[in-house]
Amino acid sequence: AQKVTQAQTEISVVEKEDVTLDCVYETRDTTYYLFWYKQPPSGELVFLIRRNSFDEQNEISGRYSWNFQKSTSSFNFTITASQVVDSAVYFCALSEGRAAGNKLTFGGGTRVLVKP
Amino acid sequence: KAGVTQTPRYLIKTRGQQVTLSCSPISGHRSVSWYQQTPGQGLQFLFEYFSETQRNKGNFPGRFSGRQFSNSRSEMNVSTLELGDSALYLCASSLAGATLAKNIQYFGAGTRLSVL
Repeated sequence: AQKVTQAQTEISVVEKEDVTLDCVYETRDTTYYLFWYKQPPSGELVFLIRRNSFDEQNEISGRYSWNFQKSTSSFNFTITASQVVDSAVYFCALSEGRAAGNKLTFGGGTRVLVKP
Repeated sequence: KAGVTQTPRYLIKTRGQQVTLSCSPISGHRSVSWYQQTPGQGLQFLFEYFSETQRNKGNFPGRFSGRQFSNSRSEMNVSTLELGDSALYLCASSLAGATLAKNIQYFGAGTRLSVL
């Protein structure tokens, strides 16, 4: 069965500091997708990034970057030069490729607090 | 383009009652998924509907049910409410491509259900 673990429950930083969120996943599938979502106080989950298991290339998108390492089953996410508006709960999620459909298994979330 | 719309936003019910929540997906999206979010259990997958058929189901009792209409709008129903059903219920929609493709899910703001 699939599982996603976010060991950090809360991170507090001062504005402009970098924030790295850890995510470790478990799956028996060789094909799978990983996601990061952000949940601001309004409650809506906002999609940030998606990677598939065949693409380990790490990329940067604006202030966001991610580090996907299959060898350690990790999919870490970094916010560079954090801003107060980045304060939210961040979720890592996994979708296995073997089964049809879009079921997401979420980690427990990491609350990020960016102080001015 | 309008996002995922969930109604109502807030709901208060008493134990033993039943409740129906509604979700209107993004135009053109044919897959709708439901998730329950609680402080104790986190985000958990309830079920997914595609073309009016349930494609996936999470580990929830039969009191939780859903359906999808021909216009892709979806409803979920919880019968015989229990205190533990108090949660934020999130709906997500996605394009439905090939059966094994993991499409990005876009979430609504949720319905916060309180059971007294």
